[in-house]
Amino acid sequence: NAGVTQTPKFQVLKTGQSMTLQCAQDMNHEYMSWYRQDPGMGLRLIHYSVGAGITDQGEVPNGYNVSRSTTEDFPLRLLSAAPSQTSVYFCASSYVAGGGELFFGEGSRLTVL
Amino acid sequence: EDQVTQSPEALRLQEGESSSLNCSYTVSGLRGLFWYRQDPGKGPEFLFTLYSAGEEKEKERLKATLTKKESFLHITAPKPEDSATYLCAVRGSGTYKYIFGTGTRLKVLA
Repeated sequence: NAGVTQTPKFQVLKTGQSMTLQCAQDMNHEYMSWYRQDPGMGLRLIHYSVGAGITDQGEVPNGYNVSRSTTEDFPLRLLSAAPSQTSVYFCASSYVAGGGELFFGEGSRLTVL
Repeated sequence: EDQVTQSPEALRLQEGESSSLNCSYTVSGLRGLFWYRQDPGKGPEFLFTLYSAGEEKEKERLKATLTKKESFLHITAPKPEDSATYLCAVRGSGTYKYIFGTGTRLKVLA
């Protein structure tokens, strides 16, 4: 049972480059979300989705783009990377109608030079 | 605005020394309060969900309680393997947004 799978685990970018962080889940969860975790800041919500074709902004959406074409996948796109986007990114999913507990991936560590 | 504050930021305990972690929250209609454990370099791992004041849940050496303003995670006779960062989060009614606290880093010494 894979759960929530994130790729890549590590990535180094130069300022201005673009990239996509991949997230896939095999639990048939309707809800998927992206967080960034920075020292002393806790987990902050970037974008979330409650089903295929439906996305919405979280607390810190600027500089990030998402789409949800399937139930399983929820990629996060960095359009033009900035050093302020250096962080650890987590994807999480859950059932919409269930208890609401989130299941997290192992994280993607991104460094922007 | 929904908000979660955790205290203390860090806690060092001797093995067997029981203690409690605090999570204070403000939310517009509590849909659920969640506790997670996070080990270094890993994603958060779900521990408990609490839905209403007075509710309690237990798992091994951990017990979570909930009032209208705060939640406590009680750790009884901790072991070194309980060392981790413990995160608290809330979800308000009518929203799909989860608000996380900054966590408590727990270190249990043998």
